[in-house]
Amino acid sequence: KQEVTQIPAALSVPEGENLVLNCSFTDSAIYNLQWFRQDPGKGLTSLLLIQSSQREQTSGRLNASLDKSSGRSTLYIAASQPGDSATYLCAVNSGGSNYKLTFGKGTLLTVNP
Amino acid sequence: DGGITQSPKYLFRKEGQNVTLSCEQNLNHDAMYWYRQDPGQGLRLIYYSQIVNDFQKGDIAEGYSVSREKKESFPLTVTSAQKNPTAFYLCASSIPPGQGNNEQFFGPGTRLTVL
Repeated sequence: KQEVTQIPAALSVPEGENLVLNCSFTDSAIYNLQWFRQDPGKGLTSLLLIQSSQREQTSGRLNASLDKSSGRSTLYIAASQPGDSATYLCAVNSGGSNYKLTFGKGTLLTVNP
Repeated sequence: DGGITQSPKYLFRKEGQNVTLSCEQNLNHDAMYWYRQDPGQGLRLIYYSQIVNDFQKGDIAEGYSVSREKKESFPLTVTSAQKNPTAFYLCASSIPPGQGNNEQFFGPGTRLTVL
């Protein structure tokens, strides 16, 4: 059974700092991995998707990496801004018969001005 | 605008009532999903549908039912058999794997509270 863990559970940083959010998963046989952002009381916004054959994806100030063999992904946020404050969720798609997403519990990020 | 809509945004249910949550998408996606989110837990899959007139149970389907009569719509009914229905419900859709990368897109959610 796939399990996804995100560390840390919460992170508070000053504006302008570069930061890394971590995600680990127990079964390396994945189809892809998605990073999402969730604002309080809102739905999920897809940030980046990394296919199992890829090592990283970039979008603006965000860079996500994937190391399947070690069961890890990181989300790097450059030059953080107060508007980046949100919960960041990592989700693993293990393929198979339903291609469901298995989610971590998220990292609550606060960027202080 | 293309996207996923969910209604209502807030829903209150009395004990013993069935309620239905709406999910509509105009992304032309074949696959649709329902997830439940509880505080301190990751999202969990309730039901999913890869094509019209077909759907499968997810990890926590007990006390829930769905239908998929149209490609655009995937309503979720929370029945009185669901013992702890208070939660945030999220609908998602995607292009099935094999036709694309199966990136899942989410709606804004419905918060259900049992009175």
